[in-house]
Amino acid sequence: DAKTTQPTSMDCAEGRAANLPCNHSTISGNEYVYWYRQIHSQGPQYIIHGLKNNETNEMASLIITEDRKSSTLILPHATLRDTAVYYCIVRVAGRDDKIIFGKGTRLHILP
Amino acid sequence: GAVVSQHPSWVICKSGTSVKIECRSLDFQATTMFWYRQFPKQSLMLMATSNEGSKATYEQGVEKDKFLINHASLTLSTLTVTSAHPEDSSFYICSARDLAKSNYGYTFGSGTRLTVV
Repeated sequence: DAKTTQPTSMDCAEGRAANLPCNHSTISGNEYVYWYRQIHSQGPQYIIHGLKNNETNEMASLIITEDRKSSTLILPHATLRDTAVYYCIVRVAGRDDKIIFGKGTRLHILP
Repeated sequence: GAVVSQHPSWVICKSGTSVKIECRSLDFQATTMFWYRQFPKQSLMLMATSNEGSKATYEQGVEKDKFLINHASLTLSTLTVTSAHPEDSSFYICSARDLAKSNYGYTFGSGTRLTVV
C-alpha cells in the first residue's frame, strides 16, 4: 500500500484559506488521492479525490503536483464547522479495495 | 444518495454480554462493507471486510470469533461483539461502497459508541 504523510495538526483563522499538505511519494500510477474528514464523534465524510489533474467541488480544491508525490487540500474560506481531522488516503489497488487510514491532520479553525 | 445508516448510535452493555451493531446501505446495494474501530484520539483501524454471501476477511490481530460479521443481504452487514469486555469499549464505524458513484462510493456510517461496564 502507498502511504501518506501529513502534519499532525494545523491552525487556520476563520475566513481564511486552509491549505492541508500530504506527501505520498510512493503512489502508483493508477492510484487516486482521496481526502476525507472526520468531525468529532462522527463517521468520516468524503471531500474530494483526484488522479492527476487538479479538482474542485463545492467543498474544496485538490492540487496534485505534476510528479504526483504530494498534494494539497484547500478549503477556500474556512469556518468553525471545518474543525476536524483530515485524512489523505491513497486508494489501495486490487480486489480488497479497502481504505487504510493514517493519523491525519487535526485542523483547528480559530475564531 | 449513498447513505449508510448505523444502529444503534450508542450502546452500554455489561461485561460478558454480546452486542450487535447494524450497518445498512439505504439507497444502494453493497456487496462489500468495511468495519472499523476507533479509540479516543486515534485514527480508524480497519477490522474486517464484510462480503455479501461469504465469510468476512479479518485484518491481522482481529479475533474473528469475538467480532462476528454477517453480511446476509446486499444492504445489511452486522457486527456482533461477543462476550464484551471493557477493553472492547470503542467507536465502531462501518463503510460501504456504491459502485455507481463516480468517487467509487466510500460512504461511512455515523458510528456506534460502545461502552462496556
